[in-house]
Amino acid sequence: DIQMTQSPSSLSASVGDRVTITCRASQSISSYLNWYQQKPGKAPKVLIYGASSLQSGVPSRFSGSGSGTDFTLSISSLQPEDFATYYCQQSYTTPYTFGQGTKLEIK
Amino acid sequence: EVQLLESGGGLVQPGGSLRLSCAASGFTFSSYAMSWVRQAPGKGLEWVSAISGNAGTTNYADSVKGRFTISRDNSKNTLYLQMSSLRADDTAVYYCVKCTINCYLGWFDPWGQGTLVTVSS
Repeated sequence: DIQMTQSPSSLSASVGDRVTITCRASQSISSYLNWYQQKPGKAPKVLIYGASSLQSGVPSRFSGSGSGTDFTLSISSLQPEDFATYYCQQSYTTPYTFGQGTKLEIK
Repeated sequence: EVQLLESGGGLVQPGGSLRLSCAASGFTFSSYAMSWVRQAPGKGLEWVSAISGNAGTTNYADSVKGRFTISRDNSKNTLYLQMSSLRADDTAVYYCVKCTINCYLGWFDPWGQGTLVTVSS
């Protein structure tokens, strides 16, 4: 199985900050990496697919990059509604594994 | 608008069985692969199973292989997850998710609201 490792596991930041979350795959997954946002008590929603493509309706302050084994999700200027948990997920092969999540909290 | 509505969750004893359903609307159901993803209380996301649009291909996580069966009825626009030999560590919210044509090389969008399965005596 491909292991997905996110860092950090938690992050405290302030409104207006730029933050970056990293996801590393245990083997190359080309660009088949997706990012999801989950708020408490809600279902996840996709933010970025194919490592760097922004899902329709997602604010442009979100961006993704990377290929192979190393990927990043960046938020250019944090807004109050961005405080949530973020997950990466590979769709290169089954099982379609997720990272353990990064909880973004208000400082 | 795409909508996915899960049902069938509840409390079940260890070793018991349960069938989850997911009613889909707003898209051509038979054209899309579908998946189940679960989330144990306070934990992360775990992919459980996937099925192709024509039901010809199914895949399972090792943790549920041989105990869970995914299926679909394209005439009813409904996805199912038959769960048997349930264990305490199967306790989770189960999400029905639509794949982008295929789950392979695709992504999960959208997600249903989830249904809670609790395995306890």
